[in-house]
Amino acid sequence: DTEVTQTPKHLVMGMTNKKSLKCEQHMGHRAMYWYKQKAKKPPELMFVYSYEKLSINESVPSRFSPECPNSSLLNLHLHALQPEDSALYLCASSQDSGGYETQYFGPGTRLLVL
Amino acid sequence: LAKTTQPISMDSYEGQEVNITCSHNNIATNDYITWYQQFPSQGPRFIIQGYKTKVTNEVASLFIPADRKSSTLSLPRVSLSDTAVYYCLVGDNSDRGSTLGRLYFGRGTQLTVWP
Repeated sequence: DTEVTQTPKHLVMGMTNKKSLKCEQHMGHRAMYWYKQKAKKPPELMFVYSYEKLSINESVPSRFSPECPNSSLLNLHLHALQPEDSALYLCASSQDSGGYETQYFGPGTRLLVL
Repeated sequence: LAKTTQPISMDSYEGQEVNITCSHNNIATNDYITWYQQFPSQGPRFIIQGYKTKVTNEVASLFIPADRKSSTLSLPRVSLSDTAVYYCLVGDNSDRGSTLGRLYFGRGTQLTVWP
């Protein structure tokens, strides 16, 4: 199984809402990632979890809060988002967190903030 | 992190071979070169990875000259379904075993294949 799943596929939320994005992999990977991708732009790294510990936070605003409950799951909690946060949010995983490790991406969650 | 430079777009016709070149002048000794493909509204997909010389798999070939300051992704006999954005990435393993791991996605190359 080389699949990374993400739910929901689409999400519309108001600026005062709290929502969560979920990501799951069953490949035994020990590194998981959140990326943000705006239209016609490359993915931008947000967070890296390595062995269930947050290892990289690329200066992401606190309204984005990641969580790694176990080695297979990764959540991204959203609160008080702004319209400019509308984007495709991608989850990925890799065997380890070395820069040459192949990352397997999920299909993404398309988020619209009104 | 070594940055990469690619053409913004390329056009081709079905059945032709496509070569996309990526420049990475500041590549470090430990860096590997990886290419990903991305279709609209999907996550990127790994295509191929190499360190030096030539690597070939069932999908593509990757040519890396001796100085490793550039690399060329070669797609043989493209079809309409190869229309996508192709990203060249450079990543190092200098922090392997610790808690760091980054991939930097450059702007990518939009390949359009015409019938």
